[in-house]
Amino acid sequence: SQQGEEDPQALSIQEGENATMNCSYKTSINNLQWYRQNSGRGLVHLILIRSNEREKHSGRLRVTLDTSKKSSSLLITASRAADTASYFCATDEGSNYKLTFGKGTLLTVNP
Amino acid sequence: NAGVTQTPKFRVLKTGQSMTLLCAQDMNHEYMYWYRQDPGMGLRLIHYSVGEGTTAKGEVPDGYNVSRLKKQNFLLGLESAAPSQTSVYFCASSYREGEKLFFGSGTQLSVL
Repeated sequence: SQQGEEDPQALSIQEGENATMNCSYKTSINNLQWYRQNSGRGLVHLILIRSNEREKHSGRLRVTLDTSKKSSSLLITASRAADTASYFCATDEGSNYKLTFGKGTLLTVNP
Repeated sequence: NAGVTQTPKFRVLKTGQSMTLLCAQDMNHEYMYWYRQDPGMGLRLIHYSVGEGTTAKGEVPDGYNVSRLKKQNFLLGLESAAPSQTSVYFCASSYREGEKLFFGSGTQLSVL
């Protein structure tokens, strides 16, 4: 069963604009992670935010976590064509070892 | 460091044939995972391992078996392939639970 669900399913923006993707989940978590997948490639880890953190930054990425709403957002600032990819959120399920992935947001950045 | 290496990268099987997908990691990670990715379904966990000699079922384990005889290797077996197993398979590993996953580049499997 999917734990995280990304929204929107697809997003198309112009280079230089900001891109925001959202993730909602159902049960309590220890941490939430975001991954990127370029077409035909494996997933690459972007950022991990723990349940006691509210915001985290990494370069042009900003992730927020609202545990009361069971939601997270990933903001990519000043987007580039190379940011075109699918973005997935993944959550653990309490003390479980398993990461459960959402279905992803397909981001297209037009030059 | 090669990271996580999957072999083969592509494979075509006939219904009923068997095969083994190999995953190898050189990062001394305890945890290893097999996921499948289907269009519109995201990634779904097939089996995972929390250490050498251990395996456990994930969300969609039916039709698959796994073994972790050596810490660095995690094998995924299909005993009798079915068209429903046509998918892209990803192996991943992590140092410990709750930490980030390192993924292989995937195996594209078609079952005719």
